[in-house]
Amino acid sequence: DADVTQTPRNRITKTGKRIMLECSQTKGHDRMYWYRQDPGLGLRLIYYSFDVKDINKGEISDGYSVSRQAQAKFSLSLESAIPNQTALYFCATSDSGGGQPQHFGDGTRLSIL
Amino acid sequence: RKEVEQDPGPFNVPEGATVAFNCTYSNSASQSFFWYRQDCRKEPKLLMSVYSSGNEDGRFTAQLNRASQYISLLIRDSKLSDSATYLCVVNTGTASKLTFGTGTRLQVTL
Repeated sequence: DADVTQTPRNRITKTGKRIMLECSQTKGHDRMYWYRQDPGLGLRLIYYSFDVKDINKGEISDGYSVSRQAQAKFSLSLESAIPNQTALYFCATSDSGGGQPQHFGDGTRLSIL
Repeated sequence: RKEVEQDPGPFNVPEGATVAFNCTYSNSASQSFFWYRQDCRKEPKLLMSVYSSGNEDGRFTAQLNRASQYISLLIRDSKLSDSATYLCVVNTGTASKLTFGTGTRLQVTL
């Protein structure tokens, strides 16, 4: 079983819809992250959380919100989806302390029509 | 200037070849460095951390030059299964936030 699980794996939806992407982990890590990946742009950080109820904006947080209600779960919401949010989304976790590598889920492929 | 820069490639090499990737980073306060591997449309996976003294893991060798703000990855005896995109990743000094390069694509051929 995967240590970092994302659901759904694929989603196609329409402009204006609210969407939630879920991430759960069994690694026992305190820190969790959401990224999006677009061709030619690499991975960009949307939001991150260092503990339950701790939320921090990344470089591209506009149009997104997150919730960290439990150590093992970190959800990403698009309140009103728009086509330029079409991307591959990854959740990641890391242990506490500086300089720790991050471990990624399988990704969610999201298409906004 | 991008925080982390990589040659996008692609690097096309025959099986058995040695290939080297380079990466530069802009923040001199960066403290931790990694190479990740990403297969097409899959998640990035940690390949190796990069230490100041340089480190080796089988056919893979990573080097760090702090003075030049430069990281390298050397792959010896390339295998077909090494074909992937290699991401240079840097901790920019703010907690555990990582900055990813856009990746260098490697294609190993028969």
